[in-house]
Amino acid sequence: EPEVTQTPSHQVTQMGQEVILRCVPISNHLYFYWYRQILGQKVEFLVSFYNNEISEKSEIFDDQFSVERPDGSNFTLKIRSTKLEDSAMYFCASISEGLNTEAFFGQGTRLTVV
Amino acid sequence: GEDVEQSLFLSVREGDSSVINCTYTDSSSTYLYWYKQEPGAGLQLLTYIFSNMDMKQDQRLTVLLNKKDKHLSLRIADTQTGDSAIYFCAEREDSSYKLIFGSGTRLLVRP
Repeated sequence: EPEVTQTPSHQVTQMGQEVILRCVPISNHLYFYWYRQILGQKVEFLVSFYNNEISEKSEIFDDQFSVERPDGSNFTLKIRSTKLEDSAMYFCASISEGLNTEAFFGQGTRLTVV
Repeated sequence: GEDVEQSLFLSVREGDSSVINCTYTDSSSTYLYWYKQEPGAGLQLLTYIFSNMDMKQDQRLTVLLNKKDKHLSLRIADTQTGDSAIYFCAEREDSSYKLIFGSGTRLLVRP
């Protein structure tokens, strides 16, 4: 079965440092997303990406966040200056286009800001 | 805006059926999904249903959709201890393909 791959599985960083979370979506999918889940809470939408640009972003996705698809396969989320409240599980997702639009999520990157 | 609601907790005995309920607000949602999350793990796609269907069955899983009431349910037959997890329902916005998640229902299966 196709899968979305995320690296690293766990990242510990100091407050104020930059982090880059990486994702390899499913190859023939066209829509890519980042979500986050603070421990014990809801899965929250951060940003969607289609046709090499951001199609939608939430209030959470402020100037500290950016996304990129640098080489046609990887999809990255950068947090410029991490805060304690950025500690969460970050999920990447990709969705195909067409009738059978399965939405697959990666296993997540647990980000811990200390 | 769109909202998805689920009850927070369900406890069943092993071998019984579990029914997890979900309500959503966006009547234009074309697809509705169920995901399973085990402790510390990612979101595993269990099944999804297209809005022109009332029911979808996949082995022990049955999804029922009442589009008029915007109500979705997931029935797990012969529930096993390995089914203990958090179950999320999600609706997909048609315009953006964005998924909106419920808060998740924690299913506890007692031996």
